[in-house]
Amino acid sequence: EAGVTQFPSHSVIEKGQTVTLRCDPISGHDNLYWYRRVMGKEIKFLLHFVKESKQDESGMPNNRFLAERTGGTYSTLKVQPAELEDSGVYFCASADTAGQPQHFGDGTRLSIL
Amino acid sequence: GQNIDQPTEMTATEGAIVQINCTYQTSGFNGLFWYQQHAGEAPTFLSYNVLDGLEEKGRFSSFLSRSKGYSYLLLKELQMKDSASYLCAVRPGDSSYKLIFGSGTRLLVRP
Repeated sequence: EAGVTQFPSHSVIEKGQTVTLRCDPISGHDNLYWYRRVMGKEIKFLLHFVKESKQDESGMPNNRFLAERTGGTYSTLKVQPAELEDSGVYFCASADTAGQPQHFGDGTRLSIL
Repeated sequence: GQNIDQPTEMTATEGAIVQINCTYQTSGFNGLFWYQQHAGEAPTFLSYNVLDGLEEKGRFSSFLSRSKGYSYLLLKELQMKDSASYLCAVRPGDSSYKLIFGSGTRLLVRP
């Protein structure tokens, strides 16, 4: 069974540009989560999808971040325009049911210059 | 507020036992998770506690005391490959299924 996959593994962009991160959850997992870890800090929750619906987006920092999961399969997280403080590692996780342990991908390391 | 504390770094010897502590103060409680993370890799699920007591899984065990807001992860018969960061995460008591993470404990296993 393939795990959670994220693309790209690394992205380096300039301030003001747009970047889109992609997450493919484990096949059949309805629950998909986005987290991020900025330098020196703990991993923080961004949002939670159940199928294509946003169940909880309380962790989204501001309206420069847009997450989508059209069709309830893969998800994208777009940052537009990117700011320096957006640099960090963005993790995606998925779970079969909401109460089950979340399985994480390797993350996308985002660097804003 | 939500607060999870764990030691920043620990060192132990191959073959020994190490205990990594985690204390939490959250608005409600719906379970505590331990994850292992090697540098540059995904956090990997190790254990889950929702009731008080000890959960054992091979060389790894995890303990929870809800009244004390306290958990520990016990690693026995340490191996070099156990050198990694260990993350404590709590699911709060609201309707959300998000995890609140501690900053992680970096464990170095020496020969």
